Amino acid sequence: GAGVSQTPSNKVTEKGKYVELRCDPISGHTALYWYRQSLGQGPEFLIYFQGTGAADDSGLPNDRFFAVRPEGSVSTLKIQRTERGDSAVYLCASSLTSGRAKGNEQFFGPGTRLTVL
Amino acid sequence: LAKTTQPISMDSYEGQEVNITCSHNNIATNDYITWYQQFPSQGPRFIIQGYKTKVTNEVASLFIPADRKSSTLSLPRVSLSDTAVYYCLVGDILDKIIFGKGTRLHILP
Repeated sequence: GAGVSQTPSNKVTEKGKYVELRCDPISGHTALYWYRQSLGQGPEFLIYFQGTGAADDSGLPNDRFFAVRPEGSVSTLKIQRTERGDSAVYLCASSLTSGRAKGNEQFFGPGTRLTVL
Repeated sequence: LAKTTQPISMDSYEGQEVNITCSHNNIATNDYITWYQQFPSQGPRFIIQGYKTKVTNEVASLFIPADRKSSTLSLPRVSLSDTAVYYCLVGDILDKIIFGKGTRLHILP
């Protein structure tokens, strides 16, 4: 079946612009996660959704970052007034369940490479 | 969440068994141990998860001693395609995964 998809695969923008990154999780997965990954580093947690609500947004670096999942499926990560330091690969993952229940393995998408000039 | 320590990099040869050990001295009672694999330009991929003793699947084995302060991921008969970064993670809040820098495994022909 289809895995997690993310669009666009690459995004180049200018400093100060607004960007939206989209994630389509695996159908039926209730949990959705956003991470970002810089070169040579492991993925850094940003936010986690259970259904439509953000269960944990403690990883969002500041108020320029916001994410939504209005219907409990597709999610959009929004970044306002982009800065050069926002350049990274933004990864999305989904899981069938959350917590310690069986099926909580996270399935990752290929990521969106964001470059802020 | 427990902090993990694993080697920054490892080299091995095709056909060898590779063991990557992860230290997690502060692991809590409810923490599970999970390993992910990441190839360049791809997202991480779940390999295996365990709580104690030994877990085996079609890809790898995970050995966890009784004190659970470390764990060892074992990859049997590696091939060039096993070259990747391997992450060890522990935590009871499995919804939020904290990745370290991982171990860069390089398989040589």
